[in-house]
Amino acid sequence: DGGITQSPKYLFRKEGQNVTLSCEQNLNHDAMYWYRQDPGQGLRLIYYSQIVNDFQKGDIAEGYSVSREKKESFPLTVTSAQKNPTAFYLCASSMAVGTGFVDTQYFGPGTRLTVL
Amino acid sequence: DAKTTQPPSMDCAEGRAANLPCNHSTISGNEYVYWYRQIHSQGPQYIIHGLKNNETNEMASLIITEDRKSSTLILPHATLRDTAVYYCIVRVPYNNAGNMLTFGGGTRLMVKP
Repeated sequence: DGGITQSPKYLFRKEGQNVTLSCEQNLNHDAMYWYRQDPGQGLRLIYYSQIVNDFQKGDIAEGYSVSREKKESFPLTVTSAQKNPTAFYLCASSMAVGTGFVDTQYFGPGTRLTVL
Repeated sequence: DAKTTQPPSMDCAEGRAANLPCNHSTISGNEYVYWYRQIHSQGPQYIIHGLKNNETNEMASLIITEDRKSSTLILPHATLRDTAVYYCIVRVPYNNAGNMLTFGGGTRLMVKP
């Protein structure tokens, strides 16, 4: 089945530790995104990548880092510098700019991170 | 991206049509209307999009007014599994802001037996 997978579904971290959230897609999409969602709120963009080996900061990139070494993978690291990391993290992907398609984004199931 | 206004919540009887309105009076000519929904604790799910013509797919229909200042998402036969928050988003595809989707408050649809 084609789609986006995120792992783990639930993640617990001690304060001061870095943690990496996985996002994989087999849709052959060029663009990938990380969003954060807090309870009762909308989505806020953390980072996005339109092509392998390139990524850009979103609105709330501080305390986060990403890499895009492979087209199908876009892992997100939540560092100890992120002051309030407890949230629901969502990964998405879409077709590339310039393909002529309206850029529908497809989302993974999310990872719920809790800092203890 | 144009601002959208949606009612915070709606109820619908199972098997009946659910009509979810969205106002976007400041929409510009090259902005599309997208609808997504989010079931509790899951990732958002794309439903449908349109520019100015009415659109229909296997999930829903999208009715856009002639002046494009408002639209309605129609779920023709709502089921309990359609209970979710529905988001109306108006934006230019592939804008320079990294194609981010700006989700507002949305409409919480409750489908009741």
